[in-house]
Amino acid sequence: AQSVTQPDIHITVSEGASLELRCNYSYGATPYLFWYVQSPGQGLQLLLKYFSGDTLVQGIKGFEAEFKRSQSSFNLRKPSVHWSDAAEYFCAVGARGSYIPTFGRGTSLIVHP
Amino acid sequence: NAGVMQNPRHLVRRRGQEARLRCSPMKGHSHVYWYRQLPEEGLKFMVYLQKENIIDESGMPKERFSAEFPKEGPSILRIQQVVRGDSAAYFCASSPTSGGTDTQYFGPGTRLTVL
Repeated sequence: AQSVTQPDIHITVSEGASLELRCNYSYGATPYLFWYVQSPGQGLQLLLKYFSGDTLVQGIKGFEAEFKRSQSSFNLRKPSVHWSDAAEYFCAVGARGSYIPTFGRGTSLIVHP
Repeated sequence: NAGVMQNPRHLVRRRGQEARLRCSPMKGHSHVYWYRQLPEEGLKFMVYLQKENIIDESGMPKERFSAEFPKEGPSILRIQQVVRGDSAAYFCASSPTSGGTDTQYFGPGTRLTVL
């Protein structure tokens, strides 16, 4: 069975600082990996995804993530955080061809001015 | 180009009442998925429907919960005789085909509170 661990429940950063949100997954084969953002009162928006190929994936809003097979990780990064990035971030893993993703519990990002 | 619509956005019910949650998929989308997000947890898949058909309900509780996606109108998630443990955010997603997670567009959710 696949699983996702987001070890940080809350992360606080200052505006303009760099950001890294951690995600570790457990899956027997090469997974599909996703990062979603959920702004308050909104649905989930797909930030980026990894299926295959280049392990450094670029997404929307200046985010990127790196797939590291040896560490079973897919950490999300942004070089300079904006106040509007304050939201809940979810990592998800999916099996190839499956429509049922497994979500992590989320990391709440707080941005200080 | 409206996105996925869900209503109501907030719903309060007393124990034993029924809750009806509605989801209107994006235009041109005929596949609907329902997820539940319990407090401080990630989303968990409940059910996958196409028009007039339930394709996969492996994530649905066996009792009190039902879902439909009629030929006309929105998809409905129905919870009968609600209990406090049903309090959660319920998200609907839609997709144009039965593709993977990346093709699913999520609605803003319905936050159900059971008193």
